[in-house]
Amino acid sequence: DADVTQTPRNRITKTGKRIMLECSQTKGHDRMYWYRQDPGLGLRLIYYSFDVKDINKGEISDGYSVSRQAQAKFSLSLESAIPNQTALYFCATSRGTTDTGELFFGEGSRLTVL
Amino acid sequence: GQNIDQPTEMTATEGAIVQINCTYQTSGFNGLFWYQQHAGEAPTFLSYNVLDGLEEKGRFSSFLSRSKGYSYLLLKELQMKDSASYLCAVMDSNYQLIWGAGTKLIIKP
Repeated sequence: DADVTQTPRNRITKTGKRIMLECSQTKGHDRMYWYRQDPGLGLRLIYYSFDVKDINKGEISDGYSVSRQAQAKFSLSLESAIPNQTALYFCATSRGTTDTGELFFGEGSRLTVL
Repeated sequence: GQNIDQPTEMTATEGAIVQINCTYQTSGFNGLFWYQQHAGEAPTFLSYNVLDGLEEKGRFSSFLSRSKGYSYLLLKELQMKDSASYLCAVMDSNYQLIWGAGTKLIIKP
């Protein structure tokens, strides 16, 4: 089983619908992240959390919200999806240190908004 | 603004050597990362450089020059399974990762 699990893996929805992407991890890491990946662009950080009580906006948080339900769970919500939110979304975790900051990624959730 | 530049696509031959370059302009520097991403899969960590010089790890090596804002990933004895995108990322002064768009490496027999 994957250490970082994302659900759903694929989702097609319509404009205006509310969507939740879920992430759970068994690595025991405190830090969790949500990124989106678009063709021709680098990974862009949406939100990140360094522990259950800590939530921070990333580079492109508008139109998104998150919830850190437990150390192991971090969910991303699109309250009212729009077509330009069509992308591949990755959840990632890291240890609570800054020595290397290596990220461990989930398998990705491909979201299509029609 | 902060910027990471790397070539969009490169082609190389199985068994050969390829060098993928990455140049960066960031607010501060706390390390440079290389990740490998096969099509449709998650990125996986390859290397981390924070000091100038060459870090070797098997067939892969990564070089850093902080004064030049430059790094490269060197892949030796290329195998078909090395066909993937290679992502360069820099950790800035706020310990945030700034990502390049990635270099798609195509390996031909």
